[in-house]
Amino acid sequence: AQKITQTQPGMFVQEKEAVTLDCTYDTSDPSYGLFWYKQPSSGEMIFLIYQGSYDQQNATEGRYSLNFQKARKSANLVISASQLGDSAMYFCAMREASLSTDKLIFGTGTRLQVFP
Amino acid sequence: NAGVTQTPKFQVLKTGQSMTLQCAQDMNHEYMSWYRQDPGMGLRLIHYSVGAGITDQGEVPNGYNVSRSTTEDFPLRLLSAAPSQTSVYFCASSYSVRVTQPQHFGDGTRLSIL
Repeated sequence: AQKITQTQPGMFVQEKEAVTLDCTYDTSDPSYGLFWYKQPSSGEMIFLIYQGSYDQQNATEGRYSLNFQKARKSANLVISASQLGDSAMYFCAMREASLSTDKLIFGTGTRLQVFP
Repeated sequence: NAGVTQTPKFQVLKTGQSMTLQCAQDMNHEYMSWYRQDPGMGLRLIHYSVGAGITDQGEVPNGYNVSRSTTEDFPLRLLSAAPSQTSVYFCASSYSVRVTQPQHFGDGTRLSIL
């Protein structure tokens, strides 16, 4: 069965420093997508970055990059040059899809706090 | 640019009452889904739909019903509300059955069952 594990309940980082949020996954399907979402205190879910299982290069979106290590089944989010506005919950998620099913499974999240 | 619209934003119910959480999207997405978010447990999939007339169960479907009569709407029905259903509910949509597509989320409905 699919599973997403985020082992860091909370992380602290100083403004302008880089931080890595860990995510490991488990699946037997060769085709899957990995996503990171940000949930600020206001509650909405904001899509940040995507990595496909067949992508050869790590995904990047501005200050966000995804460190994808397929053999280790890990998809860590790296935030460079942290800003105070990055303080939020961060969720890793995996999507498997076929003709008969389509599910997005989430990890339990990591709360990131950026301090001045 | 409405995206995914959920109503109501807040609701308080008594145990045993029924209600429907509304979800509508204007992006012509075929895939729609409902999640509940409880503290410390992330988001869990309740039901999903890959197109009009097609629905399927997720991880935690008990106590909830869904139907998909149109592409735009995907309501979630609580049949007989229980305190264990107190949660924040999110509706999401995306293009269908492609792992590359991120899901777009509504702003959520905070539901309390007394």
